[in-house]
Amino acid sequence: AQTVTQSQPEMSVQEAETVTLSCTYDTSESDYYLFWYKQPPSRQMILVIRQEAYKQQNATENRFSVNFQKAAKSFSLKISDSQLGDAAMYFCAYISSGTYKYIFGTGTRLKVLA
Amino acid sequence: DAGITQSPRHKVTETGTPVTLRCHQTENHRYMYWYRQDPGHGLRLIHYSYGVKDTDKGEVSDGYSVSRSKTEDFLLTLESATSSQTSVYFCAISSDPAETQYFGPGTRLLVL
Repeated sequence: AQTVTQSQPEMSVQEAETVTLSCTYDTSESDYYLFWYKQPPSRQMILVIRQEAYKQQNATENRFSVNFQKAAKSFSLKISDSQLGDAAMYFCAYISSGTYKYIFGTGTRLKVLA
Repeated sequence: DAGITQSPRHKVTETGTPVTLRCHQTENHRYMYWYRQDPGHGLRLIHYSYGVKDTDKGEVSDGYSVSRSKTEDFLLTLESATSSQTSVYFCAISSDPAETQYFGPGTRLLVL
């Protein structure tokens, strides 16, 4: 069965610094999609970034980028120039192509220190 | 923001009581999902729908049922609520399973 593991329950970063959140997954599929979602204290889940497994190029959205290592089954999120508004729970998620079921990791709580 | 609402937003009920949560969307998305969020577990899929009257089970479906009689509404029913169903419930929608899921604001349910 596919699984998604986020091994860092909590992380802290100084404002304006860079932080990397880890995510690993287990799958035997070759075609799938990976996501990072952010959940601020308001509880509203928001997409941060999406990666298609067949694309070798790492996805980037402004200050957010991923390091996608398909062979290692690793999908880490890098946040550059961290801002106070980045403080949130971050969830990594996986879905295999042709299926309907997302699998989420347990989340990493990011604290941003002023 | 995607037009997705959940009702009620908060509910307190007693064990053994039936409870229905509603998810309503205005985006005409085909796919709808119900998740529960618990500390240490992330989000876990309860049920999902891939069209009107088309639903299937997720990983934690025991004790829950769903219905989708029209595109915009997806109902989650707890037939007889138990304390283990105390949780925050999220509805999500997407135009395609591989595309972004848009989430509702969540419903906090407390079963006493």
